[in-house]
Amino acid sequence: GESVGLHLPTLSVQEGDNSIINCAYSNSASDYFIWYKQESGKGPQFIIDIRSNMDKRQGQRVTVLLNKTVKHLSLQIAATQPGDSAVYFCAENIGGGSNYKLTFGKGTLLTVNP
Amino acid sequence: DAGVIQSPRHEVTEMGQEVTLRCKPISGHDYLFWYRQTMMRGLELLIYFNNNVPIDDSGMPEDRFSAKMPNASFSTLKIQPSEPRDSAVYFCASSFPGRGIYGYTFGSGTRLTVV
Repeated sequence: GESVGLHLPTLSVQEGDNSIINCAYSNSASDYFIWYKQESGKGPQFIIDIRSNMDKRQGQRVTVLLNKTVKHLSLQIAATQPGDSAVYFCAENIGGGSNYKLTFGKGTLLTVNP
Repeated sequence: DAGVIQSPRHEVTEMGQEVTLRCKPISGHDYLFWYRQTMMRGLELLIYFNNNVPIDDSGMPEDRFSAKMPNASFSTLKIQPSEPRDSAVYFCASSFPGRGIYGYTFGSGTRLTVV
């Protein structure tokens, strides 16, 4: 039957807990990945990126892990706060030359309970 | 920097009317992207420009959609005639890969409703 719309994966956590958001990508040639955060009524906002020659990268309260073997990306948020509530997207880029297109995943809705 | 600026923020129009969405990228960014976001399809790339030249328009749904970038500081996305299925949030984004800024900076979007 016809899809009635995206059913976003959801993650609900308590304030102060750590959050892990997962993303599977499809193209083994992808060499650059980004996590974006989108709050209600706003455009996606860059959080952190990682290149395919790395397995892990850390930012402020966030860590991105990349497993190229299984084409899996994760975003870890430490000490999650109510302000972290948003939809989180992973995006991949094949790169190589002048291709700078990003392909976005479907997103995960993170809800932080106070 | 004011970031990527889009206008209008909201647009409600009747089916069959022409709609023009506008975007001002971040100064110095040489790549500009138009995305459409719907619950059904998520974020879809429509078209992107490099140095004002369209590079890939394979995501443009059909001939009713057209995009232009007459100069480095302005781009438009036009829908003529508009249809209810065009209702979505349209985002413009810019980047400067030459400086390693591969991540896009998005505007706040234009929410289009076609009735």
